[in-house]
Formats: sequence, structure tokens, C-alpha cells
Amino acid sequence: AQTVTQSQPEMSVQEAETVTLSCTYDTSENNYYLFWYKQPPSRQMILVIRQEAYKQQNATENRFSVNFQKAAKSFSLKISDSQLGDTAMYFCALCNNAGNMLTFGGGTRLMVKP
Amino acid sequence: EPEVTQTPSHQVTQMGQEVILRCVPISNHLYFYWYRQILGQKVEFLVSFYNNEISEKSEIFDDQFSVERPDGSNFTLKIRSTKLEDSAMYFCASSVRTGVSGANVLTFGAGSRLTVL
Repeated sequence: AQTVTQSQPEMSVQEAETVTLSCTYDTSENNYYLFWYKQPPSRQMILVIRQEAYKQQNATENRFSVNFQKAAKSFSLKISDSQLGDTAMYFCALCNNAGNMLTFGGGTRLMVKP
Repeated sequence: EPEVTQTPSHQVTQMGQEVILRCVPISNHLYFYWYRQILGQKVEFLVSFYNNEISEKSEIFDDQFSVERPDGSNFTLKIRSTKLEDSAMYFCASSVRTGVSGANVLTFGAGSRLTVL
């Protein structure tokens, strides 16, 4: 079985500042994908960034980047220059080798303050 | 940008009634999924569907649930004899392919909120 844990239920950050959301996971697979999804108040799940486990280079997407530590099974999300529109629930997720099933963490509610 | 469309956005039903949630996946996607999120809880996998059959399902997806692709575009989740604990947001998703060698990116719909009274 695979598990995903997000230890920070809520976080806040000032606009334009940087914030890091934590995620740890457990899986017996050697190849897998990791994702961060954003869920704004509209409730739609929006892909923020993804990381292939076999790639050592950390993924980046504009203001979003990850710190992937495979040995430690850690996958944190860094949001730089936070914007008010970043206010949302953020879910870390793991996809197994077969790719059929995403396992989600419990989520971190991020509030960006003006 | 292509999107996954779900209807209805919100449905209220009486306990014991049957509910059908509909999804139109992205047209060139081959893999379809249903996920569920009970208010305040984790998003949970229900089922994946490929080539007109279920490829994987979770323990949640018992005989009360069924999925089908009745035509070339719709992908439906049927919940028979709804229970209070079925109240949740149901997300449909689709992907081009699956597996580590593929794109492996799910596009989610906006969700259908089901309230069972």
C-alpha cells in the first residue's frame, strides 16, 4: 500500500513572499510519479506540477518548484512570489507504476494575505 | 484548453434513490477515472476505466457503484440506493495514457456535489 502525508493542515504567507508546503510518502515502487494539485474555492482540482521519480532534477513551473528527496521520500512544494490567487487547498499525490490510481495526502490549506 | 466536463454540478437526492453522475472526458483521452472527496477529508480513488472495462477499483467501489461509457463521449458513475455517507464531491478525470512511460497526467473535472438527505 502507498501513503501520502501532509503534516501542515494550514499555512499562511504574505503576498510576494515564499512558502514551502511539505509532503512525505511511502511506496514500494521504484518508479512512480508525484504531483501537487491545487483546489481553489471553486473545488476544481488543478495540476500544479509533477515529478517523475526516476528524474533527479527537481521540476519547476514558473513560480512553483519542488524539492524531491527520493531517499527521504519527501516532495515539498515551494511557491515563490506568492499571489492572492494562490489561496487554495494544495494536495500532494502519488501515482503508482501502473498509473491507474492516485493516492492523495490530506491537503494543506494555504492562505495568501495581502 | 480542453477540459473535462461534469454534470450536474450539484445534486440533492433522498436516501435510497439512484443517482447518475455524468462526465465528458477530453476527446483524445483513453483512460477515465472517478474520485470522491467527502467534505473535509482526502480525495479517494474509486475506479479507473479503459477499453470499456474497469481496470482497477478501490474497496470503496462496491456493488452499489457502477460505471459505463454508454456512447463515445460520456462516462457515467451510477450509485444505486444512495446512503447518507455517499454525500461527497465526485470528481471525474481522464488521461491520455497511463504508466510511468506515458504522460500520466490526469485532468480533473470541476466535480459533482452529491447531497443525500
